[in-house]
Amino acid sequence: AQTVTQSQPEMSVQEAETVTLSCTYDTSESNYYLFWYKQPPSRQMILVIRQEAYKQQNATENRFSVNFQKAAKSFSLKISDSQLGDTAMYFCAFILGQGGSEKLVFGKGTKLTVNP
Amino acid sequence: DSGVTQTPKHLITATGQRVTLRCSPRSGDLSVYWYQQSLDQGLQFLIQYYNGEERAKGNILERFSAQQFPDLHSELNLSSLELGDSALYFCASSAAGQGGSYEQYFGPGTRLTVT
Repeated sequence: AQTVTQSQPEMSVQEAETVTLSCTYDTSESNYYLFWYKQPPSRQMILVIRQEAYKQQNATENRFSVNFQKAAKSFSLKISDSQLGDTAMYFCAFILGQGGSEKLVFGKGTKLTVNP
Repeated sequence: DSGVTQTPKHLITATGQRVTLRCSPRSGDLSVYWYQQSLDQGLQFLIQYYNGEERAKGNILERFSAQQFPDLHSELNLSSLELGDSALYFCASSAAGQGGSYEQYFGPGTRLTVT
């Protein structure tokens, strides 16, 4: 079965600093996609960043970047220059690629608080 | 704004009742997914439709059913409601299977409270 583990239930960071959220996953498939979603207090699920498993280069979206270690099945999210608006729950998720189930499998989330 | 719309935003109903949640996907997306977010179970996949046909089923109770209509909007029907069905229900859509990418875009959710 595919699983996603986020080992940090809660984290906090000072504004303008950098924070890294951890995620590990388990799958026997080789073709899959990884995502980080953000859920602010409004409860909206917002896609932050995605990574295709076949790509070795780590994805980057502005202040958000990932460290994808395929052999270790690790997919951490780094937030640089943290802002108050980054306060949210962050969910790591993955989806199998073509031919597999397209359902998103989510971790339990990490609650991030950015302090002024 | 993800482009996915859901109605209603909030729903309060009594045990034993039936409700219908509605979702319109992003323009051009053929796949619609339903997820349930509860405090104790986290985010759980319920069901997926692709161009009107059921494609995948997750942890969906027999009391729940869904469908996708020719205009691609989808409805999730919840019947014989129990207190434990209180949750946030999300709809998401994607272009997977159309040569598009696999990321899913979520609607704002429907908050269901069963009293």
